[in-house]
Amino acid sequence: DAKTTQPPSMDCAEGRAANLPCNHSTISGNEYVYWYRQIHSQGPQYIIHGLKNNETNEMASLIITEDRKSSTLILPHATLRDTAVYYCIAEYNFNKFYFGSGTKLNVKP
Amino acid sequence: GAVVSQHPSRVICKSGTSVKIECRSLDFQATTMFWYRQFPKQSLMLMATSNEGSKATYEQGVEKDKFLINHASLTLSTLTVTSAHPEDSSFYICSAHGTQNTEAFFGQGTRLTVV
Repeated sequence: DAKTTQPPSMDCAEGRAANLPCNHSTISGNEYVYWYRQIHSQGPQYIIHGLKNNETNEMASLIITEDRKSSTLILPHATLRDTAVYYCIAEYNFNKFYFGSGTKLNVKP
Repeated sequence: GAVVSQHPSRVICKSGTSVKIECRSLDFQATTMFWYRQFPKQSLMLMATSNEGSKATYEQGVEKDKFLINHASLTLSTLTVTSAHPEDSSFYICSAHGTQNTEAFFGQGTRLTVV
């Protein structure tokens, strides 16, 4: 499992796009990039994952660089309910996750 | 999406007693489940991998005799904290991965307080 590096915290204005970066420079070719978030005192919530191509779903977009050494999670229109800790994880498909410290996203009115 | 349910969501027990936490996959069969522990203001720490029909594998530093894991069916894994002490007070979270799923789904967590 590749180590990931994320900024400890970020602020975002409500209604604006939140762009959360993640570095995974040692990722191997068959490791996926997963993004989860954890709202206080709850279990992590799946957001999105990808291998090589950019991905989009109803929650977010995932942009993975061509060399796969970094990625960005984009929440297109952040709301107050998006305030949470966001975890970027690089892992094989069997989902044994070693969590890093994540990014605390503060969405402000 | 797939649902994973944990029970209880919150438990208080006396020091020296044992506590069992259940993790169920409600709408899929989970061949593998994972147990995590999270202390306040810290990230999730993987404790063990629970495999249906076989022994769990524990991460380094996790005592297998203290944290008993049983994965007796494709929809249920249990974690028993034996002889609990106040330092075992934590947030315990499970996740489940089915053969048809490419991502893991997490339970809502169990807050254990040992007094």
